[in-house]
Amino acid sequence: DAKTTQPNSMESNEEEPVHLPCNHSTISGTDYIHWYRQLPSQGPEYVIHGLTSNVNNRMASLAIAEDRKSSTLILHRATLRDAAVYYCIPHIIQGAQKLVFGQGTRLTINP
Amino acid sequence: DAGITQSPRHKVTETGTPVTLRCHQTENHRYMYWYRQDPGHGLRLIHYSYGVKDTDKGEVSDGYSVSRSKTEDFLLTLESATSSQTSVYFCAIGQSSGNTIYFGEGSWLTVV
Repeated sequence: DAKTTQPNSMESNEEEPVHLPCNHSTISGTDYIHWYRQLPSQGPEYVIHGLTSNVNNRMASLAIAEDRKSSTLILHRATLRDAAVYYCIPHIIQGAQKLVFGQGTRLTINP
Repeated sequence: DAGITQSPRHKVTETGTPVTLRCHQTENHRYMYWYRQDPGHGLRLIHYSYGVKDTDKGEVSDGYSVSRSKTEDFLLTLESATSSQTSVYFCAIGQSSGNTIYFGEGSWLTVV
């Protein structure tokens, strides 16, 4: 499994954009980059995933570096509900998704 | 929300007693997983299943066994609970060729 490096914590203000970085320099060519988040006292939930191109969905955008060694999760307009721990996880998408969760980034949103 | 139900949600048990946690899904997903989460360790995979009666070990399987006799149910058993197994346990499910896994709400287990 590819090793990931994420900041332990980040802080932002409500209604401002948030850029959450992740380094995954040992990612393999078949690994997708998955992002999950975990709200307090809940199980993790899927946010977004991508392979090479930038991706958008209703929750966030994912910007992937051209060499795929890093990626950035973008929350365009943070709300208080976005306060969570965010995990970046490189993994294939076929077969069992034996995801390896690191420590993630704890995002605090100030009102 | 994915149809995943974990039971019990909270349990306190004594050291040495057997404990079984149940994960029930209504999504007919092929894969099911058990994770535990502890402060300082994040989520770690205990066991997973890729079909009825097909299971395999994860990263921290010692002291745990699992069974899957039906598609919808995945049981995690602690044969003889120890204090080190005090944790939050999460069940997750996933499709055959999907990219997303869905987590349950967690089961808080305290072994005293």
